[in-house]
Amino acid sequence: EIEMTQSPATLSLSPGERATLSCRASHSVSSNLAWYQQKPGQAPRLLIYGASSRATNIPARFSGSGSGTEFTLTISSLQSEDFAVYYCQHYIRWPFTFGPGTKVDFK
Amino acid sequence: QMQVVQSGPEVKKPGTSVKVSCKTSGVTFTNTAVQWVRQTRGQGLEWIGWIVVSSGDANFADKFHNRVSITRDVSTNTAYMQLSGLSSEDTAVYYCAAAGVMTFAYEFWGQGTLVTVSS
Repeated sequence: EIEMTQSPATLSLSPGERATLSCRASHSVSSNLAWYQQKPGQAPRLLIYGASSRATNIPARFSGSGSGTEFTLTISSLQSEDFAVYYCQHYIRWPFTFGPGTKVDFK
Repeated sequence: QMQVVQSGPEVKKPGTSVKVSCKTSGVTFTNTAVQWVRQTRGQGLEWIGWIVVSSGDANFADKFHNRVSITRDVSTNTAYMQLSGLSSEDTAVYYCAAAGVMTFAYEFWGQGTLVTVSS
């Protein structure tokens, strides 16, 4: 089983700031990596798949990079609606494990 | 645009089973894969398993291997997840999510189904 870790656990920022979230896999997942955003009481929302491809209707301020074992989600300028929890998930081979999440909250 | 609608909340006794449905529309169901994920209160996302709709092949996380079944009915565009031997630790919101088999991008999520296990 591939283990996913995320850092930091919490990121405290102000609107307009840049957010950089990290995700690490215990073994290479190539580019088979997705990022999700989740707000309280809502289902996860796909942001990025294939490590760097934005999903439908995702704003350009969200970008993903990396391959192999190291990945980054960048939010170029935080908007109020971006304060949420972010998860990474690999899907190279099952089980498709999730990382523990990074909470982006108000500074 | 694909839509995914799950069945409603369930309250179950310990030791019993629950079956959650996941009905899709808007795309060709047999060109998709469906994963099941759960989330206990205040916690992260836990992968349960998945099914490739065209073949019906399903795989599960080891944690659930002996207790879970994932199936699909292509005539109704619906996937199902059945979990048996329920305990209070299975109290959670269960989500299904669908992806096209070309990208495996799980873009289409159901609204979640709260399963409460209580005596």
